[in-house]
Amino acid sequence: GAGVSQSPSNKVTEKGKDVELRCDPISGHTALYWYRQSLGQGLEFLIYFQGNSAPDKSGLPSDRFSAERTGGSVSTLTIQRTQQEDSAVYLCAGGGSSYNEQFFGPGTRLTVL
Amino acid sequence: GENVEQHPSTLSVQEGDSAVIKCTYSDSASNYFPWYKQELGKRPQLIIDIRSNVGEKKDQRIAVTLNKTAKHFSLHITETQPEDSAVYFCAARGDGSGNTGKLIFGQGTTLQVKP
Repeated sequence: GAGVSQSPSNKVTEKGKDVELRCDPISGHTALYWYRQSLGQGLEFLIYFQGNSAPDKSGLPSDRFSAERTGGSVSTLTIQRTQQEDSAVYLCAGGGSSYNEQFFGPGTRLTVL
Repeated sequence: GENVEQHPSTLSVQEGDSAVIKCTYSDSASNYFPWYKQELGKRPQLIIDIRSNVGEKKDQRIAVTLNKTAKHFSLHITETQPEDSAVYFCAARGDGSGNTGKLIFGQGTTLQVKP
């Protein structure tokens, strides 16, 4: 594809519901990152994948957050029992390796009512 | 862990003037410093980056300088144009050695270029 894609672009959910956010990185990009951007803030690192494994999950804010990656490609970020403070734009980024520049997707804007 | 501070939070300049945004970082092992531009509602786009073995890098109207001793780096935009208006983020590779490549971002600078 032309670049990193994410779906959905917008997600509105009720407090307590689970949500799944999807990232399709550029083909061949083995490194994949999830970041969170709260309103008017910088980007906050959540998790890093190299292939299908996640050697760095240090940014996940609580055990309600989890992520997986399959086939070295698509990644899914799952938030269980969503809270209002989870409202943010969730961005994924990919790179050829952890040493290369990161290309960002358009993000998923999550609103928890 | 790494911490990145960015200043100013907002910057307003007249078209044609220069703009400078400054960042400081805490981890002396950090070795990669990208700058991203984010227009309203759009994804962050890499505009320039610098590695720790270089003191300055230039790309047309954009330049970045790095002072490893002082642990700060700056973005310089010359001859600003209205289309330069956006939020700019600096970042540092958060694990120093680059084993994961995760980026630690500054808080962002909203640049407004007045025509």
